Amino acid sequence: RKEVEQDPGPFNVPEGATVAFNCTYSNSASQSFFWYRQDCRKEPKLLMSVYSSGNEDGRFTAQLNRASQYISLLIRDSKLSDSATYLCVVNRDNQGGKLIFGQGTELSVKP
Amino acid sequence: NAGVTQTPKFQVLKTGQSMTLQCAQDMNHEYMSWYRQDPGMGLRLIHYSVGAGITDQGEVPNGYNVSRSTTEDFPLRLLSAAPSQTSVYFCASRQPGGETYEQYFGPGTRLTVT
Repeated sequence: RKEVEQDPGPFNVPEGATVAFNCTYSNSASQSFFWYRQDCRKEPKLLMSVYSSGNEDGRFTAQLNRASQYISLLIRDSKLSDSATYLCVVNRDNQGGKLIFGQGTELSVKP
Repeated sequence: NAGVTQTPKFQVLKTGQSMTLQCAQDMNHEYMSWYRQDPGMGLRLIHYSVGAGITDQGEVPNGYNVSRSTTEDFPLRLLSAAPSQTSVYFCASRQPGGETYEQYFGPGTRLTVT
């Protein structure tokens, strides 16, 4: 079993839809959590960090449930430009030397 | 700032050849990492370093060596290339710390081993 697992994709949604991605991690000692975005054949870029109390950045909301070892990302009012692969990332230690990535969930937003 | 740079962008090797993938960053980041990305597998950590002179293994270290003699550079060496090492390789760097620190990636090296 992978240490970080995500919903298998792809997700195909119409513009304006709300879509949710789920991620679970197996190492209970994991310290910090992130969502990265990767466009086709490009390098990943940070979308948002995930804080214990949950956090929002515009149309994006991230939640963390440490008891269930579960992270989520909600995208509201999807845009065509949101089409990408979303990667769940877990930091095993409190300094960030060892970031572990999930396999990614592909999102395709259609007109 | 150039950020994280990687060379070469593309490389084709024959089985058994060795080569070094170069990675450099100009942000004075202490932490650097190497990942490989294969279809359906996400990014898998090969090796990482928390500072000059300090390296450690990630999830898939076999067949690869690293060293970190300076803060800026973190080369990845393939000792004897195998077709299973065909992949896209990403180098990354960040400052130590928790969720407030972003990891920056280079543009990747696309390696094919025949």
